[in-house]
Amino acid sequence: GENVGLHLPTLSVQEGDNSIINCAYSNSASDYFIWYKQESGKGPQFIIDIRSNMDKRQGQRVTVLLNKTVKHLSLQIAATQPGDSAVYFCAENFSSGSARQLTFGSGTQLTVLP
Amino acid sequence: KAGVTQTPRYLIKTRGQQVTLSCSPISGHRSVSWYQQTPGQGLQFLFEYFSETQRNKGNFPGRFSGRQFSNSRSEMNVSTLELGDSALYLCASSLRTLSSYEQYFGPGTRLTVT
Repeated sequence: GENVGLHLPTLSVQEGDNSIINCAYSNSASDYFIWYKQESGKGPQFIIDIRSNMDKRQGQRVTVLLNKTVKHLSLQIAATQPGDSAVYFCAENFSSGSARQLTFGSGTQLTVLP
Repeated sequence: KAGVTQTPRYLIKTRGQQVTLSCSPISGHRSVSWYQQTPGQGLQFLFEYFSETQRNKGNFPGRFSGRQFSNSRSEMNVSTLELGDSALYLCASSLRTLSSYEQYFGPGTRLTVT
């Protein structure tokens, strides 16, 4: 997308290692952020979300960190598995009245090496 | 619950033709958003419908239109197809509460324009 970008287009990690996927967002008024995983031939799948009043949120094997000062978002995947290989997108959400819209980043291809 | 379904999954059309894509949201979800995904532009927001009303619209020409029915099912239409309209068209549904905007994506419709 035009307003949300990723630092690295590709990331390769060894199976069992931790993965960190980064994302820069552009709208300081965005108050809701989501990470999606997209496997080949499928639609994006929700992984984890975080609201702007939080700095960190943990899920199962995943953690999202939000740094509003530098408008940076990261997704950490613990003990990366082959099934984690996919494209990961961050998305920012801005509310204007009753309207909401998600703006997606360009995506990072994560490859898990055996 | 059944997930978001999209029909057809694959479609081949000729330049100048028009096409209609269909999306059935998760039961109980009242918001349906449409996205275009291409390798060059990534995921781009087309429009969102809630309670049969278009709530938000992305930066696409008027050839792209949509509607939502009383059962929340949605259709999008593209008229006068161009080669550049070849893409994966994704539909996402949401409960659309003010405090949450978690979207669930369908598998998409792969449109090829020749």
